Amino acid sequence: GQQLNQSPQSMFIQEGEDVSMNCTSSSIFNTWLWYKQDPGEGPVLLIALYKAGELTSNGRLTAQFGITRKDSFLNISASIPSDVGIYFCAGGSSSNTGKLIFGQGTTLQVKP
Amino acid sequence: DAGVIQSPRHEVTEMGQEVTLRCKPISGHNSLFWYRQTMMRGLELLIYFNNNVPIDDSGMPEDRFSAKMPNASFSTLKIQPSEPRDSAVYFCASSKGGPDSPLHFGNGTRLTVT
Repeated sequence: GQQLNQSPQSMFIQEGEDVSMNCTSSSIFNTWLWYKQDPGEGPVLLIALYKAGELTSNGRLTAQFGITRKDSFLNISASIPSDVGIYFCAGGSSSNTGKLIFGQGTTLQVKP
Repeated sequence: DAGVIQSPRHEVTEMGQEVTLRCKPISGHNSLFWYRQTMMRGLELLIYFNNNVPIDDSGMPEDRFSAKMPNASFSTLKIQPSEPRDSAVYFCASSKGGPDSPLHFGNGTRLTVT
């Protein structure tokens, strides 16, 4: 079945540093989404991408939908302690239902 | 917007018992998804509904798992009988449906089967 390979698996950075994580797949996706999960809560949508090549920003977050439709990256600039959490990429390939396949997650820790 | 509401937040039960997890999707959303999250397997889609109809249940692990959506505002996921390997966090998510409608997740039910 379809799988997403998300990397890195974990990151431990200093406050103020920039962060980059990505997802790749052998399959084509029509949508790419990035979610963040805090402890004890459900994933929360950060950015949604709907067109190949699309580059979208949300505050300090920037994400791109790869031109091949098989990859996406998420950048976080000037990290702060509240950026700590698990970040998931998700790909959607169904044209009708919004069904998503999730990556394994990137655990981000920020040292003040 | 109240968000997706799940209950209970935590459930501890003994092996062999029946477990029922509940979900109220966001009003106006017509697609509902049940996911399971574990350390080993991450987020796995169990089943999803469109307009209260089950569309794809290929992720349901065994016949011990069943899900229903009797109306647009309520869904249940039942495990009977439960086993220790069912221990996980179960998430419900909803969307308006379609490729441009992202999923909105509830806060999950943490299930522990002893």
